[in-house]
Amino acid sequence: AQSVSQHNHHVILSEAASLELGCNYSYGGTVNLFWYVQYPGQHLQLLLKYFSGDPLVKGIKGFEAEFIKSKFSFNLRKPSVQWSDTAEYFCAVNGGNMLTFGGGTRLMVKP
Amino acid sequence: EADIYQTPRYLVIGTGKKITLECSQTMGHDKMYWYQQDPGMELHLIHYSYGVNSTEKGDLSSESTVSRIRTEHFPLTLESARPSHTSQYLCASSEYSGTGSYGYTFGSGTRLTVV
Repeated sequence: AQSVSQHNHHVILSEAASLELGCNYSYGGTVNLFWYVQYPGQHLQLLLKYFSGDPLVKGIKGFEAEFIKSKFSFNLRKPSVQWSDTAEYFCAVNGGNMLTFGGGTRLMVKP
Repeated sequence: EADIYQTPRYLVIGTGKKITLECSQTMGHDKMYWYQQDPGMELHLIHYSYGVNSTEKGDLSSESTVSRIRTEHFPLTLESARPSHTSQYLCASSEYSGTGSYGYTFGSGTRLTVV
């Protein structure tokens, strides 16, 4: 069975700080990787995804993520966060036609 | 604007009541899912469907049932609600590619409270 771990449960940053959220997964086969964001009171939205090709993928709102196959990782990054980035972020792995989510990281950005 | 709709958005009901959570999508997606999310916790898959008349149980045991009579509709039913069913229920859909699914589309969720 596949599993996804997000090690940071809560992150608090000041505006303009850099962000990196960790995501590690365990699955032996080919995977598709996703980051979802859930803003307060809203439904989950797709932030970015990786299927193949360039392991550095760029998503919406200045986010990017890097797939490192040897480390089974897909960390999310943003060079300079804004107050509006306050949300919960979920990493997800799709292997064997099943999507598995991590536990989520709650990000709070202080103005 | 969302292409997957869940109703109701919020529901408070008494123990023992039968309830159906509605989920409809207009994208013609073959695969649909129900996830359960307790506050601050990860999402857990409770049911999924690969198409009409196809339903399977997910990773998390659930006392709910689902049906898929039409492609666009995937309702979830609790025959007798209990306080332990209090949670958020998220419906999602995706296209079936044969080699792996594309990014999912989620509904807004139904926050259920059983008193």
